[in-house]
Amino acid sequence: EAGVTQSPTHLIKTRGQQATLRCSPISGHTSVYWYQQALGLGLQFLLWYDEGEERNRGNFPPRFSGRQFPNYSSELNVNALELEDSALYLCASSPAGIGGVSYEQYFGPGTRLTVT
Amino acid sequence: DQQVKQNSPSLSVQEGRISILNCDYTNSMFDYFLWYKKYPAEGPTFLISISSIKDKNEDGRFTVFLNKSAKHLSLHIVPSQPGDSAVYFCAARTFPGRLFSGSARQLTFGSGTQLTVLP
Repeated sequence: EAGVTQSPTHLIKTRGQQATLRCSPISGHTSVYWYQQALGLGLQFLLWYDEGEERNRGNFPPRFSGRQFPNYSSELNVNALELEDSALYLCASSPAGIGGVSYEQYFGPGTRLTVT
Repeated sequence: DQQVKQNSPSLSVQEGRISILNCDYTNSMFDYFLWYKKYPAEGPTFLISISSIKDKNEDGRFTVFLNKSAKHLSLHIVPSQPGDSAVYFCAARTFPGRLFSGSARQLTFGSGTQLTVLP
């Protein structure tokens, strides 16, 4: 079974540009999560999509946005890039939860975004 | 405000000995805890989890202990192997209440502990 895939592996942008990161969840998983891991920091929750809807977002400015497509893949867009946006962006997926049962999140390898 | 804290950024252990990784939390609404392992250039891999209604969960060499009164959990690896060298993250989830409440399955991660197992 294929795991979570992310593209591109590396992305280099200049300040002020826009970046688009892509994620394909594990087959059968309907939830996609985005996390940012800046150097020396833990994973910071960015966004959660389920069934095409944004369910929750973390404490990030509106220039971080995304969407989930009908096939459950997802896109993260970062507008007006700033130097501090340089980080590893991780995508995770999980099956739909029923009755509040927790499911582990399965992570992709990440996209390393460098803003110069 | 860090709700999940891993106060030791690094830990070195001799091969064959026990590794103990610690995690503290402040939010009493957390009901489910997970440990992830991360190798360089890879995404975190789920390792083991524990529900707040339990105090211990074991899976092979890995055991997670939860002390709710102290808001503390620990991961024990016995015996430690060089292949266990990685960054370990603890994570916690808030009981959702409703399935699609805003925080239903959002995980809050600690900052990680780099474990090095020496041969």
